This record gives sequence, structure tokens and C-alpha cells, in this order.
Amino acid sequence: QKEVEQNSGPLSVPEGAIASLNCTYSDRGSQSFFWYRQYSGKSPELIMFIYSNGDKEDGRFTAQLNKASQYVSLLIRDSQPSDSATYLCAVNTGGYQKVTFGTGTKLQVIP
Amino acid sequence: GAVVSQHPSRVICKSGTSVKIECRSLDFQATTMFWYRQFPKKSLMLMATSNEGSKATYEQGVEKDKFLINHASLTLSTLTVTSAHPEDSSFYICSAPFAGDSYNEQFFGPGTRLTVL
Repeated sequence: QKEVEQNSGPLSVPEGAIASLNCTYSDRGSQSFFWYRQYSGKSPELIMFIYSNGDKEDGRFTAQLNKASQYVSLLIRDSQPSDSATYLCAVNTGGYQKVTFGTGTKLQVIP
Repeated sequence: GAVVSQHPSRVICKSGTSVKIECRSLDFQATTMFWYRQFPKKSLMLMATSNEGSKATYEQGVEKDKFLINHASLTLSTLTVTSAHPEDSSFYICSAPFAGDSYNEQFFGPGTRLTVL
């Protein structure tokens, strides 16, 4: 069964700290990985995507992928209260367009 | 980035009625769109894949006769919840893939909150 797993949290970090969000997936054939942010009552918005092993940085966000360990993470540097949201990990599993979402990790950045 | 709209944003209906939700890609064509359902504090669950010009593909456990999908054009997909019941109350979100920086980046509509009384 194809699964994407995340710790539901909440993960609480003080303002200015680094938030680390983790995700594991079961399908070794997965090729692309996405991090979405979802505010309460809103639809998800894409933060980052990653295809290759290693790190990918975009501003305060860094995505890390380790295909051997079937693990993908998202680091948020200098966390801000506005980063407080649920972060969804998504993995491309069946077909080049279809993705499977994890259950999401709720992040709380405390001022 | 690409824009996907949904209409209505919120709907309240009586049990037994049918509700139609529209999903439109505003500035690009989408031969495929996806319909998700999200219950409170739960993750997105893929319901079906909407295919322009052919039948939708439903995920296991989703009743195709209850959730009718029509992909009428390259920019419009509709989801009709037939004979809605309170347990169908949920947040319904559509998405469309767009070949931008990544070949399968998903753009989500703003969602439709359905409440069945």
C-alpha cells in the first residue's frame, strides 16, 4: 500500500528558530516530492518540490530528500508566526500527475 | 503561477438534494483535474481523477454514482454530489497539474465547503 507518513504534531517552535518537518514514504518508485502549506479553512499552496537526492534551498525553506531512506524533510529557518499552518508532504506515486498526501504536521510558531 | 477557481466557495443544502461544484483552470488548459475531499483536521483524500473527453477514474471506496464528475472542456470539471447526506459535509478541493517549473506541479482551487443539513 502506498503511504506517506508525517507526525501530526503540533510542532511548536519559538519565533526565529528552525522548524524541522519530516515525512517518510513507502513506495520506492516515487520520483517527485512536494511540500504544501495549508492555513485553516484554505486550500494548500505549494512551497517547494524536490526530485533529486540532497538539499534544495529557496529563501528560508530547505527541502531535503534521501531516497535510500525514503525520507523527505522541510526546514524553515527564522520561523515567523505567519508560518503557523499545517504542512503537507505529497509524493508522486501513481502516474506522472497524481500525488498522495501525508496527514500533515501542524506547526505553531510562538512569538 | 497558474490559477484554478472553484464555485461556489460555500454551500448549504438539505439532505437528499444534489449539489454541483465547478472547477475551472483560468489561464491554462487542463486535460486532467483531481478532486479531493478533506474532513476537519484530516488530510486531503483523493476522490477521483477527472479526464477531459473520457470517464473519470475513481479511487477505491468512492461511489461513482454518488459523486458524478464531468470534464466538459479543457478548462472545466464539475463534481455533483447526488442525494447529499450529512456525512457528505466536507471541504471539497480540486486541482489541476500545470507544466511550469515541474511537469506535475498541482495548482489547487480555493475549495468548496459543503454543509448538508
